[in-house]
Amino acid sequence: DGGITQSPKYLFRKEGQNVTLSCEQNLNHDAMYWYRQDPGQGLRLIYYSQIVNDFQKGDIAEGYSVSREKKESFPLTVTSAQKNPTAFYLCASSVDGWGQETQYFGPGTRLLVL
Amino acid sequence: RKEVEQDPGPFNVPEGATVAFNCTYSNSASQSFFWYRQDCRKEPKLLMSVYSSGNEDGRFTAQLNRASQYISLLIRDSKLSDSATYLCVVNTGKLIFGQGTTLQVKP
Repeated sequence: DGGITQSPKYLFRKEGQNVTLSCEQNLNHDAMYWYRQDPGQGLRLIYYSQIVNDFQKGDIAEGYSVSREKKESFPLTVTSAQKNPTAFYLCASSVDGWGQETQYFGPGTRLLVL
Repeated sequence: RKEVEQDPGPFNVPEGATVAFNCTYSNSASQSFFWYRQDCRKEPKLLMSVYSSGNEDGRFTAQLNRASQYISLLIRDSKLSDSATYLCVVNTGKLIFGQGTTLQVKP
């Protein structure tokens, strides 16, 4: 089955701790994205990558970091510098990042701060 | 002004009703438009793209008015399973998501 997987489903972070959210896709898509969703708000773009070994900041990149060492994988690290990390994190992918094609989403990770 | 604005609702309608959602966008250079559906605590899923000529998919009709910079989604003969949040999405070179409109269809 082709698709996007995210893990874990729920993640708890302690103060001062870095945590990493996993995102894997087997759709052979070039582009991948990370969004954050807060209650009552639209999705906001954190980082995106149009090709392996390259990524760009989105609208709210502060306190986050990413890597794109493999086409299939785009992990997101929430660092201790992100002061309000509690949110629903969604990973998405698309065929490429240049056109008007659809983005497909993974099931998401809910991050909670202890 | 937000780049994409939607009435958050909730819209509470009985089964079988027709309901319409509107969405306005600020960037006149926007390239393409979509409606996504998001169930509670789930990821968004594409419902339909919106074409300039308007398009229909079963009970769902989407329309685009570039002059007034709004798109709409019409749902006919509402089902209980239509209860969800509907996200208006505009492609300006990147996808901009509205906050969503919540629909609750009641028996």
